[in-house]
Amino acid sequence: EAGVAQSPRYKIIEKRQSVAFWCNPISGHATLYWYQQILGQGPKLLIQFQNNGVVDDSQLPKDRFSAERLKGVDSTLKIQPAKLEDSAVYLCASSLLQGIVNIQYFGAGTRLSVL
Amino acid sequence: DAKTTQPNSMESNEEEPVHLPCNHSTISGTDYIHWYRQLPSQGPEYVIHGLTSNVNNRMASLAIAEDRKSSTLILHRATLRDAAVYYCILRDGSNTGKLIFGQGTTLQVKP
Repeated sequence: EAGVAQSPRYKIIEKRQSVAFWCNPISGHATLYWYQQILGQGPKLLIQFQNNGVVDDSQLPKDRFSAERLKGVDSTLKIQPAKLEDSAVYLCASSLLQGIVNIQYFGAGTRLSVL
Repeated sequence: DAKTTQPNSMESNEEEPVHLPCNHSTISGTDYIHWYRQLPSQGPEYVIHGLTSNVNNRMASLAIAEDRKSSTLILHRATLRDAAVYYCILRDGSNTGKLIFGQGTTLQVKP
């Protein structure tokens, strides 16, 4: 079974530029998550989708970050404009369902460097 | 959100058992204990989870204290490939079941 696919693996941009990350979850997984992992810290949930609806975006900085999952399959996360503190690894994960015991499967992440 | 406390780092010798502790004194009755690990340059991967009873799978064992205020992840024979950051997570009791990661324990395995 194919895992969670993310692209690009690496991205370097200058502050105030825009950037977008793409995620293709495991086939059939209804729930999709975007996490931000700053160096030396554990991942932090930015947004959670159930099919194409947003379940939780309480930690998403909405003035600059946006995410969509239009057809309930793949998803994009955008940052516009980027700040230095956005330098991090952006991880996408998916699970069959949402809920307390469902296993989340993670992609390898996109490492963003903002200069 | 219920929090967990883990040592920052631990060392182990290859082919020896490893016991990774986790304290979660504020756990509620409906919180599940999940363990994920993150190998270098990879996303986290699921290891094991439990509620009250001890659990075993092909990767590890999870021992849960009777009062549920602590748990221990047991790797029976550590290999070099087990070197990773191990996260102990109390799975949110709401319907969303989101994962809230702490700092985790960095496990070094020496040959």
